[in-house]
Amino acid sequence: DAGITQSPRHKVTETGTPVTLRCHQTENHRYMYWYRQDPGHGLRLIHYSYGVKDTDKGEVSDGYSVSRSKTEDFLLTLESATSSQTSVYFCAISPRGQSNQPQHFGDGTRLSIL
Amino acid sequence: SQELEQSPQSLIVQEGKNLTINCTSSKTLYGLYWYKQKYGEGLIFLMMLQKGGEEKSHEKITAKLDEKKQQSSLHITASQPSHAGIYLCGAAAGNTGKLIFGQGTTLQVKP
Repeated sequence: DAGITQSPRHKVTETGTPVTLRCHQTENHRYMYWYRQDPGHGLRLIHYSYGVKDTDKGEVSDGYSVSRSKTEDFLLTLESATSSQTSVYFCAISPRGQSNQPQHFGDGTRLSIL
Repeated sequence: SQELEQSPQSLIVQEGKNLTINCTSSKTLYGLYWYKQKYGEGLIFLMMLQKGGEEKSHEKITAKLDEKKQQSSLHITASQPSHAGIYLCGAAAGNTGKLIFGQGTTLQVKP
């Protein structure tokens, strides 16, 4: 199994509070991704990183920011959480971000915003 | 933008029966991935297809990418309760490894 750890695994918080989710990998992969999974939508890309301090937006990036100060850690921050951000969040990694390499996923973080 | 449509959205089969899940793309596919997800868990990579006509098998699961490269099918032979879960297809979008996903197909296998 790919060495990917997401924390926390579950979180309940209130609207308007900041929330940070962490993805930690032990594979030394260059590319890291954050997705959210919602019923009827499959997985949608929020942000991704192609190296330390190198990040870019995905299709649903509004309301989210990311940071990557070390190869092994990719943080997803909700600056002021809203109920629409209640979802299951997945981190994925890939060695070189090429279309012929599968991404490997963490176990997810279930986030509820009340 | 590219979209992936999976069919059916859900499926209930009797143990031992065969089944097929389809993934249709609005654009040509360059790299098609199949993943399986159990409830409350992450996605497990099953197979990757890249060339039109390509077919791969793993145990009782076979995936194909059609010649025109806009559709893939996942076939399970002699289904077992362990096959139950959500199957998702993903397609490469661009050259940064970004993936887009279908909405998933939920499979239940009745003993």
